[in-house]
Amino acid sequence: EPEVTQTPSHQVTQMGQEVILRCVPISNHLYFYWYRQILGQKVEFLVSFYNNEISEKSEIFDDQFSVERPDGSNFTLKIRSTKLEDSAMYFCASSGKRSNQPQHFGDGTRLSIL
Amino acid sequence: GIQVEQSPPDLILQEGANSTLRCNFSDSVNNLQWFHQNPWGQLINLFYIPSGTKQNGRLSATTVATERYSLLYISSSQTTDSGVYFCISGTYKYIFGTGTRLKVLA
Repeated sequence: EPEVTQTPSHQVTQMGQEVILRCVPISNHLYFYWYRQILGQKVEFLVSFYNNEISEKSEIFDDQFSVERPDGSNFTLKIRSTKLEDSAMYFCASSGKRSNQPQHFGDGTRLSIL
Repeated sequence: GIQVEQSPPDLILQEGANSTLRCNFSDSVNNLQWFHQNPWGQLINLFYIPSGTKQNGRLSATTVATERYSLLYISSSQTTDSGVYFCISGTYKYIFGTGTRLKVLA
């Protein structure tokens, strides 16, 4: 069964540095999402992306965050200047050709900010 | 924005017991999914169920969209069912519920 893959599985970065988290969605999916989960807390929506533009974003997704689909397969989340509170598990998800279809999640990237 | 609440927050069961988890959402939505987050943090898709009833082995789910709730039934629970169960709802912007932390004792 096709799956969403995320790299790296664990990223350690110094505070203030830029970080790029990478995701390869399922190949025929058109809707893409990023979520984060701070340790021990619930999963929080960051952003949805369709047709090469942001569909929705949460209050968390401020100017420090950006998303991009640089080619036909990758979907990236960039954090420009990381803060300690950005430490979390970041999940990528994708869904099919309509907005009302199930989301498939990757295994996540654990981001640790030192 | 949409609110998604789950109950109970915590649940401890003996192996073999049955349970019902509830998800209430505050607005009409086009999507409702149930996930199991295993001890390794992976989000395992259980059901996509915006309305109606589905069954998969020992698990089943029912969503009553007009009354804005969904139920997840776990029968004959096993220790491998332990973890956190989330529902997620929304359209373009998705909200995870607060989760139910389930522990199944051998």
